[in-house]
Amino acid sequence: EVQLVQSGAEVKKPGESLKISCKGSGYSFTSYWIGWVRQMPGKGLEWMGIIYPGDSDTRYSPSFQGQVTISADKSISTAYLQWSSLKASDTAMYYCVRRGALLWFGELFPQAFDIWGQGTMVTVSS
Amino acid sequence: DIVMTQSPDSLAVSLGERATINCKSSQSVLYSSNNKNYLAWYQQKPGQPPKLLIYWASTRESGVPDRFSGSGSGTDFTLTISSLQAEDVAVYYCQQYYSTLLFTFGPGTKVDIK
Repeated sequence: EVQLVQSGAEVKKPGESLKISCKGSGYSFTSYWIGWVRQMPGKGLEWMGIIYPGDSDTRYSPSFQGQVTISADKSISTAYLQWSSLKASDTAMYYCVRRGALLWFGELFPQAFDIWGQGTMVTVSS
Repeated sequence: DIVMTQSPDSLAVSLGERATINCKSSQSVLYSSNNKNYLAWYQQKPGQPPKLLIYWASTRESGVPDRFSGSGSGTDFTLTISSLQAEDVAVYYCQQYYSTLLFTFGPGTKVDIK
């Protein structure tokens, strides 16, 4: 079964650092982009950034550039999202996602986010 | 950046009736090399992660009931639930994946039972 399994919920204080994880299984982890999506309480979905574990090529949404760091360790099929100094406004559910790829008439086309992790709730409060 | 908008913000539909959600992108998401629209629809039920329903604007993901259909091209798209079931109560999001490694979601549409 193809799945992404995320680390558990976190409760942190402002100014603390944090690294959450997302482990892929059931597919070739190095062959698909892994992204992160934020959902603040009661709000919509915001794409944060994406990494290609095969070569660690990473792209960020302009809204999140410099605010978080995305990384991956392909040896253990795990992607990470980290903060160096959390703020109360970082309180949210964070999902990792796999960007799919579809072979169509012999050509590989990028797809939407076909696999989602279960989410990691991060609460930042003094 | 491509901006996505959705309408309505919410709607309530009777069981068995049709629900229609609209999505508009600020620029075309039609990819010329394969004539496909890089537009996806997701369903998020309460307390669950989103689930991919439709990609390429009109192709249902495996296992998605055929009461869900997507249509449209270029900048204007529609998700239709032909006969609303109780389990379809959710928030629905459109998303463009046309921009190279820059993805944007619509604000979401909440669907309830009338």
